Amino acid sequence: SQQGEEDPQALSIQEGENATMNCSYKTSINNLQWYRQNSGRGLVHLILIRSNEREKHSGRLRVTLDTSKKSSSLLITASRAADTASYFCATATTGANSKLTFGKGITLSVRP
Amino acid sequence: GAVVSQHPSRVICKSGTSVKIECRSLDFQATTMFWYRQFPKQSLMLMATSNEGSKATYEQGVEKDKFLINHASLTLSTLTVTSAHPEDSSFYICSAIPGNSNQPQHFGDGTRLSIL
Repeated sequence: SQQGEEDPQALSIQEGENATMNCSYKTSINNLQWYRQNSGRGLVHLILIRSNEREKHSGRLRVTLDTSKKSSSLLITASRAADTASYFCATATTGANSKLTFGKGITLSVRP
Repeated sequence: GAVVSQHPSRVICKSGTSVKIECRSLDFQATTMFWYRQFPKQSLMLMATSNEGSKATYEQGVEKDKFLINHASLTLSTLTVTSAHPEDSSFYICSAIPGNSNQPQHFGDGTRLSIL
């Protein structure tokens, strides 16, 4: 069964703008991970945030985690056309190497 | 580092054919690999967890006799879709974890399976 639910399901923005994507989950987690998938390709790991962390940064990416609300957000700043892809959140209940439960994904389109 | 290669990238075959998909970790040893299935514009659904040297653990609702998984070495897991039918058409993706580590999963590029 799916754990994460992202919103919005689709997002279209202009290059240079920021993109914010949200994910909610239902059960207790050890960590939450965000992945990117280009059309017809595999997934690329973006960032992992552990249940005892509240915020994490990686380049233009900023992830927050609110375990009390069982939600996470992914912010991409200064978006580029190359950021166009589907983004998934995934939760793990035991370590970073445990099996993942993926959300439905968000399709991000960045217009040049 | 941590590259996962999946082969073939695309396969089209007739109904009733068995299809084997390979997942290789190229620069690391993977004691655990995962197999996922993804329908168009949908999420990844975990099918099974493949453990080197032991039987795979299948998720509820996945037919183990339909989707045979073999993880005979630390760098190779295979998924065989037996007697494939059109409803088995999907995008299959594998992932691998470097052995004895707490690293996230590294994904292959997926296999597009089309059964006519």
